[in-house]
Amino acid sequence: QKEVEQNSGPLSVPEGAIASLNCTYSDRGSQSFFWYRQYSGKSPELIMFIYSNGDKEDGRFTAQLNKASQYVSLLIRDSQPSDSATYLCAAISSGSARQLTFGSGTQLTVLP
Amino acid sequence: DGGITQSPKYLFRKEGQNVTLSCEQNLNHDAMYWYRQDPGQGLRLIYYSQIVNDFQKGDIAEGYSVSREKKESFPLTVTSAQKNPTAFYLCASSIDRKGNYGYTFGSGTRLTVV
Repeated sequence: QKEVEQNSGPLSVPEGAIASLNCTYSDRGSQSFFWYRQYSGKSPELIMFIYSNGDKEDGRFTAQLNKASQYVSLLIRDSQPSDSATYLCAAISSGSARQLTFGSGTQLTVLP
Repeated sequence: DGGITQSPKYLFRKEGQNVTLSCEQNLNHDAMYWYRQDPGQGLRLIYYSQIVNDFQKGDIAEGYSVSREKKESFPLTVTSAQKNPTAFYLCASSIDRKGNYGYTFGSGTRLTVV
């Protein structure tokens, strides 16, 4: 079973702090990784994707990928209360049947 | 506006009843997917379709059926064989068959057994 594991949290940070969300994956052949944000009762929305080792920045968000360690992370700088949500990590499975496999999510609360 | 439309938003099913969840997209995406989400859990894949008239089982296909007669439409039927159908159902699509750019999700259907 190819798995994506996340710290379930919940994670609380004060407003303005850096929130760090972590994810590991078991399928060494996975090449593409995604972070989704899901507000309570809503559907997931894509916020970042990363393919290459290293960092990828988009505004206040930075995704980090380390394929050797099979580790993906998402940093949220200057966290805002509106960032409070569940963050889902996902990986495209290797092989011919490629689909997104999701972690169980990390619930983030940003305290005003 | 382009997007994925799921209907209904809320659905109630009686014991032994089949129900069908609608999913329509006007994004011209090749692939479509159905996921199930239970409270506090991640998404689990039910079925997916990469081309019209073809679909594949996901991790939890038992008790569900799908069809893909048109590129735009991918309805999901929850049959009476699905013993625990209460969940949040999410339909998604991807621009390519391999999902290289991630998936776009609809707003979901919340199914409850009464």
